[in-house]
Amino acid sequence: SQQGEEDPQALSIQEGENATMNCSYKTSINNLQWYRQNSGRGLVHLILIRSNEREKHSGRLRVTLDTSKKSSSLLITASRAADTASYFCATEGDSSYKLIFGSGTRLLVRP
Amino acid sequence: DAGITQSPRYKITETGRQVTLMCHQTWSHSYMFWYRQDLGHGLRLIYYSAAADITDKGEVPDGYVVSRSKTENFPLTLESATRSQTSVYFCASSRDGRVVLTFGAGSRLTVL
Repeated sequence: SQQGEEDPQALSIQEGENATMNCSYKTSINNLQWYRQNSGRGLVHLILIRSNEREKHSGRLRVTLDTSKKSSSLLITASRAADTASYFCATEGDSSYKLIFGSGTRLLVRP
Repeated sequence: DAGITQSPRYKITETGRQVTLMCHQTWSHSYMFWYRQDLGHGLRLIYYSAAADITDKGEVPDGYVVSRSKTENFPLTLESATRSQTSVYFCASSRDGRVVLTFGAGSRLTVL
């Protein structure tokens, strides 16, 4: 069973626009992570937000976490064609070292 | 080269054959993981290992065997491959297992 579910499943935007993707999860967590996967490649860690944090920034990335709603969002500002990838949220399974991934959001940034 | 490497990157096999996917990491990370990625299912954990000689089942372990005799290696074996095991397999490692995973490039397996 999947802990996190991303929404939307696919997103197409123009270069320069902002991209927002959401993740909902089911059980309480200690932290939530976001990963990026370029086509044909492995996943790359982007950012981790702890349960006691509400917002975190890293470059053009902004992550929010609402533990009361069991949801998180990833905002990519001023998107570039190179941001085209799939984005996954990951939360802990029944133990903290078993990450459970959602099915991902496929982002297409059109030049 | 430092990092986590998977081999082979691509493999085609037939139903019933044994297949072993290799994973090697150079960081001496304690934790290693095997995931499979299928359309519509995202990534699902097959097996993980907290240290050499310590392994445990993940979400979808049936049909797979793992071993970890050395910290740096974590091979995944399909003892008798089935078509439902056609997938992309990712190995990952983590220093302490609690936070960030570093992934290999993946092994695409096709079972005919």
